[in-house]
Amino acid sequence: QVQLVESGGAVVQPGGSLRLSCAASGFTFSSFAMHWVRQAPGEGLEWVAVISYDGNNKYYADAVKGRFTISRDNSKNTVYVQMSSLKSEDTAIYYCARGRIAVTHPPFSFWGQGTLVTVSS
Amino acid sequence: QSVLTQPPSVSAAPGQKVTISCSGSSSNIGNNYVSWYQQLPGTAPKLLIYEDDQRPSRIPDRFSGSKAGTSATLGITGLQTGDEADYYCGTWDSSLSAGVFGGGTKLTVL
Repeated sequence: QVQLVESGGAVVQPGGSLRLSCAASGFTFSSFAMHWVRQAPGEGLEWVAVISYDGNNKYYADAVKGRFTISRDNSKNTVYVQMSSLKSEDTAIYYCARGRIAVTHPPFSFWGQGTLVTVSS
Repeated sequence: QSVLTQPPSVSAAPGQKVTISCSGSSSNIGNNYVSWYQQLPGTAPKLLIYEDDQRPSRIPDRFSGSKAGTSATLGITGLQTGDEADYYCGTWDSSLSAGVFGGGTKLTVL
């Protein structure tokens, strides 16, 4: 069965950096686009970024553009998001989600359990 | 302010039917597939509907989706207390080159 397991969440100071990982299993990882979606405490879902199946295409939400970098290692079935210049408004549960085969558009067919990032001094 | 507009809340009695609307524009709903997600309290979201009106095999046929122009609708029949959750619509926005969600709708089964 499809499994997505996020890790790397932590408490970090404003201006700091953090890298989240998402380990995938149960499907052909190298065929699917992968997304990061976040949810601030008590708030709705916010799409963050997507990376194509081969890593050649990446798109970002305006709120994180220039600060976050999505990447993947198909040999390790893992997708990452490197977050820098973190702000208090980046505090959220970060979910990774499987996208579609070969294209970057939704739907988000499977989700991980999420990892909490708290930006606070 | 979400790109897609959903009502903040809806409610209905057990056994009844409810619909949740999602309004957008030509750059998102009007030219891209819509999907719907259910988020039970304290859990990760789950895909309910994809490509406007398709259900994953594990989703019961009480859940349905439709789209007309720049609006989409999620329908739930035979409401159960276990359906109490937040529901989100999502799609791609071709102008933003970004994924977008509605603000979410809280369903209460009275």
